[in-house]
Amino acid sequence: AQTVTQSQPEMSVQEAETVTLSCTYDTSESDYYLFWYKQPPSRQMILVIRQEAYKQQNATENRFSVNFQKAAKSFSLKISDSQLGDAAMYFCAYRSPLGGSDSNYQLIWGAGTKLIIKP
Amino acid sequence: DVKVTQSSRYLVKRTGEKVFLECVQDMDHENMFWYRQDPGLGLRLIYFSYDVKMKEKGDIPEGYSVSREKKERFSLILESASTNQTSMYLCASTITGRGQFFGPGTRLTVL
Repeated sequence: AQTVTQSQPEMSVQEAETVTLSCTYDTSESDYYLFWYKQPPSRQMILVIRQEAYKQQNATENRFSVNFQKAAKSFSLKISDSQLGDAAMYFCAYRSPLGGSDSNYQLIWGAGTKLIIKP
Repeated sequence: DVKVTQSSRYLVKRTGEKVFLECVQDMDHENMFWYRQDPGLGLRLIYFSYDVKMKEKGDIPEGYSVSREKKERFSLILESASTNQTSMYLCASTITGRGQFFGPGTRLTVL
């Protein structure tokens, strides 16, 4: 069975600096998707970034980028120029496909990392 | 923008009560999910549904049931609430290729 591990329960970073959140996973599949979600305090969970395993290029969304190391089964999230609004729980997730449909799938979730931004 | 709404943000119930948590999405998504979120455990899938009247058990279905009578609505039912069901409940729906969209969550306390 697939598992997702986030080994850092909490991280803190000075505003405007860069922080990296780690995520490792275990799978025997060769094709899959990985996600980072953000859950601000008392607010909705939102998708931050998505990576397809068959793509070698690391995904990037503005200040958010990933370091995807398929052989090492590692999927870390780098946040550049940290802002106060980045403070949140961050969850790493692995897509476990069901039936092959692109929209019919489950996500396997890590336990989350709480990111604190120091002003 | 996709909108996923949940009927309550906070709910307090007593042990043994029947509890209904409602989730509605407005984008005609086929797939909907119910999770519970507990500190240190991440999100755990309770049930999901990939079509009207269809449901599948997730990782922790015990003590829960679901109903999907209409495509836009997915209900989670606690037949007889217990204190260990005190948690944050998150509903999500999927759009092809774009991950899951979440509702704001319902924080349920069972006394």
